[in-house]
Amino acid sequence: NAGVTQTPKFQVLKTGQSMTLQCAQDMNHEYMSWYRQDPGMGLRLIHYSVGAGITDQGEVPNGYNVSRSTTEDFPLRLLSAAPSQTSVYFCASSYSQNSGNTIYFGEGSWLTVV
Amino acid sequence: EDQVTQSPEALRLQEGESSSLNCSYTVSGLRGLFWYRQDPGKGPEFLFTLYSAGEEKEKERLKATLTKKESFLHITAPKPEDSATYLCAVYAPGEAAGNKLTFGGGTRVLVKP
Repeated sequence: NAGVTQTPKFQVLKTGQSMTLQCAQDMNHEYMSWYRQDPGMGLRLIHYSVGAGITDQGEVPNGYNVSRSTTEDFPLRLLSAAPSQTSVYFCASSYSQNSGNTIYFGEGSWLTVV
Repeated sequence: EDQVTQSPEALRLQEGESSSLNCSYTVSGLRGLFWYRQDPGKGPEFLFTLYSAGEEKEKERLKATLTKKESFLHITAPKPEDSATYLCAVYAPGEAAGNKLTFGGGTRVLVKP
């Protein structure tokens, strides 16, 4: 029962470097999204996807890129890392648009940009 | 713009001391309000979804209620294992896709034995 799997768990980047946070789910969920969690800010939506090949911006998309080539995977790319992107990143998925569907979160990826 | 405010920010309880957490929201046409539990170093874990004013849901020592402007998470006779951060989130129309939630800042609960 893997659910939503995120890798890596921890990462340290230098300013200007690029990297990809991986997210995979094995529940055949249509909807996937990425959030960042910062102290005192709550979770904020970065990007989301309603299905393979379809993505859209959330509340804080700048500096991030996503793609959804398969139902299972939804990677988040940091194009040129900045210290302001130091945060905890969570991937989430749910079965459909129906608000009654449970939304599952991964365990998180801790990113530090120095 | 949808807003979700949770209070208090932190709550220290003695084991067995019941209390309530508040989640007030400002949205246009609420479709669902979610409660999550988050342990340190972990992702949010789903607890409840509430859809309409007057609805209540229970799970062990937790009971969630919903009015037109706020939701309460009641913790009855808490145990140390109930220590966690409790997150509230709303889902509203105008969100073109599912899985777009607006979260509050959370309430950190510490239950001391």
